Amino acid sequence: DAMVIQNPRYQVTQFGKPVTLSCSQTLNHNVMYWYQQKSSQAPKLLFHYYDKDFNNEADTPDNFQSRRPNTSFCFLDIRSPGLGDAAMYLCATSLPGPNTEQFFGPGTRLTVL
Amino acid sequence: AQSVTQLGSHVSVSEGALVLLRCNYSSSVPPYLFWYVQYPNQGLQLLLKYTTGATLVKGINGFEAEFKKSETSFHLTKPSAHMSDAAEYFCAVTDLPSGTYKYIFGTGTRLKVLA
Repeated sequence: DAMVIQNPRYQVTQFGKPVTLSCSQTLNHNVMYWYQQKSSQAPKLLFHYYDKDFNNEADTPDNFQSRRPNTSFCFLDIRSPGLGDAAMYLCATSLPGPNTEQFFGPGTRLTVL
Repeated sequence: AQSVTQLGSHVSVSEGALVLLRCNYSSSVPPYLFWYVQYPNQGLQLLLKYTTGATLVKGINGFEAEFKKSETSFHLTKPSAHMSDAAEYFCAVTDLPSGTYKYIFGTGTRLKVLA
């Protein structure tokens, strides 16, 4: 089945220790998104790619970076995680267009000690 | 600017009762509207969407929603709740003025189904 895969599902890191979360997709979608979701809140968009074009949200901290080496893979790098970065991180993909569905991965739950 | 408001952060219904989750939107252009469901520790899954055409939209798991332009609403309903419907539900609208395809999400409604 075509899908969005996120690894790992659970990630524990130490305060200030860089961490990378990965996302892969078999849907061949042009657009990939990274969301941060804290408990009982809506997902908050961090950035998205349309092919290689990177679009950063204005309020995304510089501590968050992303790479998309090819269509299938996208990475979220947190350079110096703080306690406030503990959250669920969701990757999603879609075809271009305002009326298209976003397909979400299962998420990576990040714990910062 | 576009926005989405979900009334009621928590809704409880008895098993077999009607489910009604409210979503109102604000948009200067015809909106594209979505309902997603999220089960614990999982990603979001599309229930249904409204783009153009028929205003009553049927989705998965017996859910449907009606687009009412005059009321700027897109409420989600299900005639008979099942225990498996307990989850978080998010209404979203495409952020058309931004020129991208990103969503504006509502704050979510947690549905509890009582036995």
